[in-house]
Amino acid sequence: EPEVTQTPSHQVTQMGQEVILRCVPISNHLYFYWYRQILGQKVEFLVSFYNNEISEKSEIFDDQFSVERPDGSNFTLKIRSTKLEDSAMYFCASSERRGLTDTQYFGPGTRLTVL
Amino acid sequence: EDKVVQSPLSLVVHEGDTVTLNCSYEVTNFRSLLWYKQEKKAPTFLFMLTSSGIEKKSGRLSSILDKKELFSILNITATQTGDSAVYLCAVEGGPGNYQLIWGAGTKLIIKP
Repeated sequence: EPEVTQTPSHQVTQMGQEVILRCVPISNHLYFYWYRQILGQKVEFLVSFYNNEISEKSEIFDDQFSVERPDGSNFTLKIRSTKLEDSAMYFCASSERRGLTDTQYFGPGTRLTVL
Repeated sequence: EDKVVQSPLSLVVHEGDTVTLNCSYEVTNFRSLLWYKQEKKAPTFLFMLTSSGIEKKSGRLSSILDKKELFSILNITATQTGDSAVYLCAVEGGPGNYQLIWGAGTKLIIKP
């Protein structure tokens, strides 16, 4: 069964460093999303992406964040200068059709630890 | 402000019991309500509900939506230890088109 994959599974970085989290969505999916979940807190929407541009973004997704689909398969989330409060699980998701008329499939997540 | 509230926050029951998890919401431009099960990492999809009063069922799990009273329930009958997880409710809606507004989850622990 096709699945969303994410790498790395765990990344530890120093505050102020740049990180890139990678996702490979399901191949025929057109809509891509990033969410995060700070330990013990609820899942939060970051951004959605379609047709090589951002469709929606939340207040969390400030200038420190960017997303990119550098090739036909990868979907990346970059944090330019990490802060302690960026420590969280980051989930990538993809869906085949517009919005949520189709189910979003989640990747296993990347645990980001900022020291 | 759009919000999704789940209750209870945590629940401990014995195997074989039936549980009911609640999700209430105040979300502009409501499109659908989704239930997810989160064990160790990524949430896995359970149900999507868009219409009031129609029960969705999958094995021992079932869910129903009330769009008038703005809530949904998730029922699990004959619980098993493998049902132990955090159950997340999310609502598609809000000021944009593609956002999910998530509840904080209900942590369900099934004791043998």
